[in-house]
Amino acid sequence: SYDLRQPPSLSVSPGQTATFTCSGDKLGQKFACWYQQKPGQSPVLVMYQDSKRPSEIPERFSGSNSGNTATLTISGTQPADEADYFCQAWDSTTAKVVFGGGTKLTVL
Amino acid sequence: EVQLVESGGGVVRPGGSLRLSCAASGFTFEKYGLHWVRQVPGKGLEWVSFVSGDGSETFYGDAVKGRFTISRDNAKNSLYLQMISLRSEDTAFYFCAKDHYLDTSGYPYVDSWGQGALVTVSS
Repeated sequence: SYDLRQPPSLSVSPGQTATFTCSGDKLGQKFACWYQQKPGQSPVLVMYQDSKRPSEIPERFSGSNSGNTATLTISGTQPADEADYFCQAWDSTTAKVVFGGGTKLTVL
Repeated sequence: EVQLVESGGGVVRPGGSLRLSCAASGFTFEKYGLHWVRQVPGKGLEWVSFVSGDGSETFYGDAVKGRFTISRDNAKNSLYLQMISLRSEDTAFYFCAKDHYLDTSGYPYVDSWGQGALVTVSS
């Protein structure tokens, strides 16, 4: 089966850059997307097709995907960005949607 | 505004069955694929199943294949998940989720989520 791996946690200070990674075999040959989930809420799409931002997501969110790693970057991180972030891809070989295990962002 | 409202969650004994429903509004229902995604409280997201816009294609995660059946009724703007042979490890919130495209040729991802329905499998 296809796996996506994410570090379980990330801590940054307000105003710093938060960089999330998502690793999978030849992930760069697939489209990656990212979801933000705050406690008690449903997930929200924050990045799709590697680097496209939904209209309601601030410009300080950006994404990239190359080789075996997709990256989500939040510039000027704010306390309101504190949440769990999940990457996701479609594995056409197995015809399955795959989620990473998630990274918990703490903004200290 | 897209709205997805799940119903049918509850407590069921191991080996039992349950049917989840999702009522959708705010978009042209038959033009989009739909997913079920589940989440154990405090844990990560797990993809359960996907159905294409016309219902002709269905896909399942390994953990539920052979036990769960996804279906949709485009006349009623409704999505369903029939679950049988339930196990304790099926206990989770189940989210109804709208895909951005009609079928898997669009490299599936979710652009709208419901609030979730809790399924508890316990004796």
